[in-house]
Amino acid sequence: RKEVEQDPGPFNVPEGATVAFNCTYSNSASQSFFWYRQDCRKEPKLLMSVYSSGNEDGRFTAQLNRASQYISLLIRDSKLSDSATYLCVVPPMTTDSWGKLQFGAGTQVVVTP
Amino acid sequence: GAVVSQHPSRVICKSGTSVKIECRSLDFQATTMFWYRQFPKKSLMLMATSNEGSKATYEQGVEKDKFLINHASLTLSTLTVTSAHPEDSSFYICSASRGLAGGHEQFFGPGTRLTVL
Repeated sequence: RKEVEQDPGPFNVPEGATVAFNCTYSNSASQSFFWYRQDCRKEPKLLMSVYSSGNEDGRFTAQLNRASQYISLLIRDSKLSDSATYLCVVPPMTTDSWGKLQFGAGTQVVVTP
Repeated sequence: GAVVSQHPSRVICKSGTSVKIECRSLDFQATTMFWYRQFPKKSLMLMATSNEGSKATYEQGVEKDKFLINHASLTLSTLTVTSAHPEDSSFYICSASRGLAGGHEQFFGPGTRLTVL
């Protein structure tokens, strides 16, 4: 089982609709999680951090389900500019792996007019 | 704040040549820099971890003699792809961390697209 798994999509979403997708992780001891956004041929940019049960930032909501070992990202009122690949990132738990982020392969979201 | 630059943004070279990519933290001191490679529609794969003034730590399967990393200062790390071949064509991204105080947050450079003919 991969350490971080995501549904690659694409999720085709009408503008204004809500879309949600999950990321599963294998290490039950993981404490913090990140969602990054990556536009085509660009670098990843931090979207949200998740340290407890969840986090909300405007139209974006991240939730953590420790029992089932997944985090979700929900985008409300989708904008055309939300079209991107969303990367789930889980930091490792061992000190000798500090900083070695585990990236999921990403979920592609396409918002259509 | 926390801006990371990479140079060049794109490079096309002939097979057998070496290519150097620079990664700079512009407004902070990066105790650690990371080098990633990303193939189309694939996830970012960590190649190596670079700490200022010490040898880089390479991930399993990454040839250290092929991908030379130098972290000469707290604001600059370089990756040299030696004797590049077409299979080395990829998107190379660096990131920088402010250290333990900054937690796991990494700031990414804009990436370098390498095409080896």
